Amino acid sequence: DGGITQSPKYLFRKEGQNVTLSCEQNLNHDAMYWYRQDPGQGLRLIYYSQIVNDFQKGDIAEGYSVSREKKESFPLTVTSAQKNPTAFYLCASSILWGSSGANVLTFGAGSRLTVL
Amino acid sequence: QQQVKQSPQSLIVQKGGISIINCAYENTAFDYFPWYQQFPGKGPALLIAIRPDVSEKKEGRFTISFNKSAKQFSLHIMDSQPGDSATYFCAASPGGNKLVFGAGTILRVKS
Repeated sequence: DGGITQSPKYLFRKEGQNVTLSCEQNLNHDAMYWYRQDPGQGLRLIYYSQIVNDFQKGDIAEGYSVSREKKESFPLTVTSAQKNPTAFYLCASSILWGSSGANVLTFGAGSRLTVL
Repeated sequence: QQQVKQSPQSLIVQKGGISIINCAYENTAFDYFPWYQQFPGKGPALLIAIRPDVSEKKEGRFTISFNKSAKQFSLHIMDSQPGDSATYFCAASPGGNKLVFGAGTILRVKS
């Protein structure tokens, strides 16, 4: 089955540590996204990438970093500079922007990060 | 800056009742308005979507009503069931560009 796999599902981090969340898709989608979900704040865009080796900051990129070395992979690193990293993180993908259906996002099951 | 305002934050409906969630937007360049459904511990999934050339779209018990002049759109869930209990997000995007999401509505359907 085609889909998006996020790992780990749960992650605990000590303050001052960097952590990397994995996102892999086998949908052959060109665009990939990372969202952060907090209660009452909806889904806020952290980073997005439309093609390999290129990515752009979203609305809340500070304290996060990404890479896009392969079409199917878009890992997110939560750095120690992120002041309030405890949240539910969602990875998504879509076909290339400008194409019919490009607005339709397919989401992974999410990763819940807790800072101890 | 929230470009899509969603209300209410939470909603409790009796089984068999109608659930109504509203969203308002300001950016007139938006031309695609989807609703996503999210169950606890899962990622959101596309439920239904509409483009501004129609005023209503129905899929089973789910209907989107769209008012272009008022820049508002809403989701109606008819004959609400306990299995509909979830968080619902409205969203909007301009011309195939990235989506902007509302804050979400937690729906609970009481049996």
